[in-house]
Amino acid sequence: EAGVVQSPRYKIIEKKQPVAFWCNPISGHNTLYWYLQNLGQGPELLIRYENEEAVDDSQLPKDRFSAERLKGVDSTLKIQPAELGDSAVYLCASSLAPLNEQFFGPGTRLTVL
Amino acid sequence: AQSVAQPEDQVNVAEGNPLTVKCTYSVSGNPYLFWYVQYPNRGLQFLLKYITGDNLVKGSYGFEAEFNKSQTSFHLKKPSALVSDSALYFCAVRVLYGGSQGNLIFGKGTKLSVKP
Repeated sequence: EAGVVQSPRYKIIEKKQPVAFWCNPISGHNTLYWYLQNLGQGPELLIRYENEEAVDDSQLPKDRFSAERLKGVDSTLKIQPAELGDSAVYLCASSLAPLNEQFFGPGTRLTVL
Repeated sequence: AQSVAQPEDQVNVAEGNPLTVKCTYSVSGNPYLFWYVQYPNRGLQFLLKYITGDNLVKGSYGFEAEFNKSQTSFHLKKPSALVSDSALYFCAVRVLYGGSQGNLIFGKGTKLSVKP
């Protein structure tokens, strides 16, 4: 069984540029999560989807961050424009349902110069 | 509000010795607790969880964790450490109520270093 797939694995951009991250969850997993992991810290939830609905986006900085999961399968997280402080690892995770175990992808390491 | 704390930034242990990585929690009601491990440039991997029942939970790769309600702790343990256990370990608690139900709140992580 394939795990959670994320791309790209690494991204380097200049500040004020846009950037997008893609995630394909484990087949059949209805719940999808995007996390932000700063260096030396634990993951912090940005947004959680149940199928195509964003059910918890309270921690997503909506002035520059957006996300979508149009068909309830794969998802894209976008930052526009990126700031220096956005440099971090962006993790995607999925689970069968909200109370089930979460499986994580390898993450996308973003560096903003 | 629910939270977890990992009081040690780093734990050093010699190969073959027992290891303990500490975690304390603060929750309203019964806690749902988890341990994840993260190897360099990899995502988090699930190790074990406590939902209810036996206070000693056994998980992957020979790890176990002891739930202690009176001390609000959920320490990760292994009887004999391996060099390959060197990684970053995260404790997490699940939010049980409200709009964030099901979300995980993670500690800041503890770096485990096992020397040969």
